Amino acid sequence: KAGVTQTPRYLIKTRGQQVTLSCSPISGHRSVSWYQQTPGQGLQFLFEYFSETQRNKGNFPGRFSGRQFSNSRSEMNVSTLELGDSALYLCASSPGGEGDTQYFGPGTRLTVL
Amino acid sequence: KNQVEQSPQSLIILEGKNCTLQCNYTVSPFSNLRWYKQDTGRGPVSLTIMTFSENTKSNGRYTATLDADTKQSSLHITASQLSDSASYICVVLSRGYNKLIFGAGTRLAVHP
Repeated sequence: KAGVTQTPRYLIKTRGQQVTLSCSPISGHRSVSWYQQTPGQGLQFLFEYFSETQRNKGNFPGRFSGRQFSNSRSEMNVSTLELGDSALYLCASSPGGEGDTQYFGPGTRLTVL
Repeated sequence: KNQVEQSPQSLIILEGKNCTLQCNYTVSPFSNLRWYKQDTGRGPVSLTIMTFSENTKSNGRYTATLDADTKQSSLHITASQLSDSASYICVVLSRGYNKLIFGAGTRLAVHP
């Protein structure tokens, strides 16, 4: 089975712009979660989508949004980028049950200048 | 407040030696606790996952323990290898909220 894939792997944007990141989960997985990882804050949960619906949400501003398609692929959008949004954005997929192991993708490294 | 604290923040050991990483949590209600290994520039990889009733779980040279009474977990690495150099992250799932709470990680460096 192919693993979780994320595109693009690297991205450079300027303040004020918006960005869309993509995540393709492992085949058969219905849950996709998004995380932000920075050296200072560690891994922080953004949101989780399950069967095209947002099931859980972390404590991030509304500039961070996401969606999930019928094939379970997910996108994350960040509008009005700020310097502090520079981070590694990871997505993880799982079958969707509470005890299921999450499998992480390689991440998208976003740099905001 | 739901928190997961890990210690030490960083650790250097010699190849072949054992080490133990600690994780204390205040997450409630508790569902399960996971240990992940994250190599530099890569996504985390699951090592173990333990529920309330499990005291210990092994994955090769990695052994995790859980004391649900004291809300403490440890990850013991036996006969360390250079490839064990990575960040080890303790993650607790809060039942009901179905939300993962991450520790800041322990950065392990194994030197020859």
